[in-house]
Amino acid sequence: DGGITQSPKYLFRKEGQNVTLSCEQNLNHDAMYWYRQDPGQGLRLIYYSQIVNDFQKGDIAEGYSVSREKKESFPLTVTSAQKNPTAFYLCATAGVQAFFGQGTRLTVV
Amino acid sequence: AQTVTQSQPEMSVQEAETVTLSCTYDTSENNYYLFWYKQPPSRQMILVIRQEAYKQQNATENRFSVNFQKAAKSFSLKISDSQLGDTAMYFCAFMTVPGSSNTGKLIFGQGTTLQVKP
Repeated sequence: DGGITQSPKYLFRKEGQNVTLSCEQNLNHDAMYWYRQDPGQGLRLIYYSQIVNDFQKGDIAEGYSVSREKKESFPLTVTSAQKNPTAFYLCATAGVQAFFGQGTRLTVV
Repeated sequence: AQTVTQSQPEMSVQEAETVTLSCTYDTSENNYYLFWYKQPPSRQMILVIRQEAYKQQNATENRFSVNFQKAAKSFSLKISDSQLGDTAMYFCAFMTVPGSSNTGKLIFGQGTTLQVKP
């Protein structure tokens, strides 16, 4: 089944802890994206990647890091430098249209 | 830099009536894609309709159609015969095409929450 798999669906982070959100795709798309969505708000671009071993900052990259070692994978790490990480995170890929994962809801406890 | 603006945070429509959601964008690119996505309470992003900038004909998908005005950089979505299941947040999005100076950046507007009333 072709698509995008995000995991976990729910994630809890303690203060000062780094956590990593997984995004895997089998659509053979070069472009991958990470977005943050706060309640009732739009999608804000965190990072994006057009090709393996290359990625660019989006509008709200501070406190986040990514890697793109394989075409299929684009993990997002939420670092302790991100002071307000509680949000819904969406991963997407794009060919001639964008496809989205199911999202990860991250909560600070 | 590309931007996408949706000026209507919330809209409502009676079931079976027609509603139009507005979207404007800014870009110096000549070739790009425009999209409308629907996000129901489940938060799953669902593609509603897609338009290629080089095509003059407005895209249509069943009850959904767009009014694409390239010179005005406007891309509105018309929903005909509104149904209760159309209640959702709608996002307008812009994407450059491969080979352009800003390849593949996918940008969303702030969203419009649409409520269809019975």
